[in-house]
Amino acid sequence: DQQVKQNSPSLSVQEGRISILNCDYTNSMFDYFLWYKKYPAEGPTFLISISSIKDKNEDGRFTVFLNKSAKHLSLHIVPSQPGDSAVYFCAASARGNFNKFYFGSGTKLNVKP
Amino acid sequence: DAGVIQSPRHEVTEMGQEVTLRCKPISGHNSLFWYRQTMMRGLELLIYFNNNVPIDDSGMPEDRFSAKMPNASFSTLKIQPSEPRDSAVYFCASSLGVLTGHQETQYFGPGTRLLVL
Repeated sequence: DQQVKQNSPSLSVQEGRISILNCDYTNSMFDYFLWYKKYPAEGPTFLISISSIKDKNEDGRFTVFLNKSAKHLSLHIVPSQPGDSAVYFCAASARGNFNKFYFGSGTKLNVKP
Repeated sequence: DAGVIQSPRHEVTEMGQEVTLRCKPISGHNSLFWYRQTMMRGLELLIYFNNNVPIDDSGMPEDRFSAKMPNASFSTLKIQPSEPRDSAVYFCASSLGVLTGHQETQYFGPGTRLLVL
C-alpha cells in the first residue's frame, strides 16, 4: 500500500520545453516533501524540497508546487535539458517521524535534443 | 568527503546462499538507512538506525533479512538464505539525523545490484 504514488512511469519532453512530473500522496500527516534525481548506476541525489507551510519552492530551473487539499505535488523543470534525463523520485515524511521517507516508484524523464 | 560507500557494487549468488551487503556512511552522520529498489515497488525503506540503534525495521521483508550497525562508520544488511525474489538494487543512505530536530537530506550510496539465481 504505497502512500506516495507517481502514476507516470515515464515522460518524454523536447529540449527547451517544460517538464512536469507529478506525485500524489495519501497520508495527511505528511508535512515535508522532496524530489530526488537518479542517474543509471548511481544512487538518488537530492534535488529540491518543500515544507507543507509553503505551496511553492523554486531553485533555478526547478520548481516544486504543493497542493495540500489535493494531496498533490509537482516538479517543473524549465527549460528542460538533455542532462535532466534521469529517474525522478518523489518522497514525503510525516510530522513526528521526519527521518522516515516514503518514496514513490519514480518517473523516468527523457529529454530529447 | 567520499560520500556513502557501499560494497560490493554487484553480487550474483545462488538461491540459498548467504549475502552480506556493506555500507560506510558519511562521517559525522548519525542516521543510516537501508532501501531496496525494485520495478514493482520502487524505492522502499527496509530499516533505519540512529546513533547505531535500529529505530524502525518495519520494512524488513521477513526474518531472512537482518541488519546491524556495530559502530558509527559501518553497517551490514544480511540475507540468509537468499531467494530469487530478493533480486534488486539495495541502497544505503545516511543523514545528520534527528539531532537537528527537522528533516535532513539523505545522501545515498551508489547501491549494490543483487541477482539471486
